[in-house]
Amino acid sequence: DVLMTQTPVSLPVSLGGQVSISCRSSQSLVHNNGNTYLSWYIQKPSQSPQLLIYKVSNRFSGISDRFSGSGSGTDFTLKISRVEPDDLGVYYCGQGTQYPYTFGAGTKLELK
Amino acid sequence: EVQLVESGGGLVQPGRSLKLSCAASGFTFSNYGMHWIRQAPTKGLEWVASISPSGGSTYYRDSVKGRFTISRDNAKSTLYLQMDSLRSEDTATYYCATEVGDYWGQGVMVTVSS
Repeated sequence: DVLMTQTPVSLPVSLGGQVSISCRSSQSLVHNNGNTYLSWYIQKPSQSPQLLIYKVSNRFSGISDRFSGSGSGTDFTLKISRVEPDDLGVYYCGQGTQYPYTFGAGTKLELK
Repeated sequence: EVQLVESGGGLVQPGRSLKLSCAASGFTFSNYGMHWIRQAPTKGLEWVASISPSGGSTYYRDSVKGRFTISRDNAKSTLYLQMDSLRSEDTATYYCATEVGDYWGQGVMVTVSS
């Protein structure tokens, strides 16, 4: 199985600040078809996860350009700029390149 | 508007069965693969099973293989998860989600306990 290692576990932030979350996979996430199926999700308290970024760097419909994804192969990053109160929650990376699909353990973005 | 609405959860004894449903609307259900993903209390996300648009291909995590069955009825735009021989470690909120993970249901709680 592909192990997804997310860091940090907890990320204190000030409103208006910028943060980065790292996600590393134990194997390359490049699919045979050339795509890299690495996604980022946010789960706000008592809500379902919501897609932010798919295929490494593509923002889902309606997602602010304050969110950006980057990386390749086994090393990926989510950056959030000008953090707003609605950004607080747990962020997960997930891979859909090979079964079983796997997720990182999550990064909790919280106020300092 | 895309909607996924799960149902069928509840409290069940170990070894018993439960069938979850996920009613889809707002998109052409038969064109998309679907997933079941679960989240144990206070834990992270865990992929459970996937099914192709036609239903002809299914995939399971090892811990549920042989016990869970994912299926779909494209005429009813509904996804199912038949869960047999339930164990305490299956206790979780179960979400259905679309192929790319772009839409998720609100989740349904399954508690396996005597």
